[in-house]
Amino acid sequence: QKEVEQNSGPLSVPEGAIASLNCTYSDRVSQSFFWYRQYSGKSPELIMSIYSNGDKEDGRFTAQLNKASQYVSLLIRDSQPSDSATYLCAVNEVAFQKLVFGTGTRLLVSP
Amino acid sequence: EAGVTQFPSHSVIEKGQTVTLRCDPISGHDNLYWYRRVMGKEIKFLLHFVKESKQDESGMPNNRFLAERTGGTYSTLKVQPAELEDSGVYFCASSDWTSTDTQYFGPGTRLTVL
Repeated sequence: QKEVEQNSGPLSVPEGAIASLNCTYSDRVSQSFFWYRQYSGKSPELIMSIYSNGDKEDGRFTAQLNKASQYVSLLIRDSQPSDSATYLCAVNEVAFQKLVFGTGTRLLVSP
Repeated sequence: EAGVTQFPSHSVIEKGQTVTLRCDPISGHDNLYWYRRVMGKEIKFLLHFVKESKQDESGMPNNRFLAERTGGTYSTLKVQPAELEDSGVYFCASSDWTSTDTQYFGPGTRLTVL
């Protein structure tokens, strides 16, 4: 079983819709959870981090964490074509230590 | 503020040759990480430096890989001799000791071993 699992997609949504990206993880001691966005050929860019159960909102992005279900999600409201990218879910057990990544979900937002 | 930089951006070598990748972290970041993404797979951790010391090298695949961070600034990752399975994108990331353990990634070095 993979440590961090994501649906590879592509997830296709129309412009203005809500995109919902999901991630499950296997290690119950995981403490920190991150969503990175990666455009083709570019570096992963952190867009959200979440450390406790519940929702965390930042602009059009909302991260949701449920440690009991070992589930973390990212909602993108009012999706734009510029949001088209691969979204990587990452977790770590201890702060400042290695990140464990999922394979990423490719999001396509059509105009 | 300059981000994490990596050199070269691309490298094509033949099996058995040696390649050295370089990473310059964000100035002042004590933590430096190397990761690798093999085609079709997830980004995987290789090792972690705190200043010049190797904090965790559990992800290094074998002794053909040697990482150094002399002086605690830039880091090099040498592959000698390179094998076909070493092909992939090598990412470097850095972080400092603030309350949020955000790792900032470089653009990566795409290594192709023929």
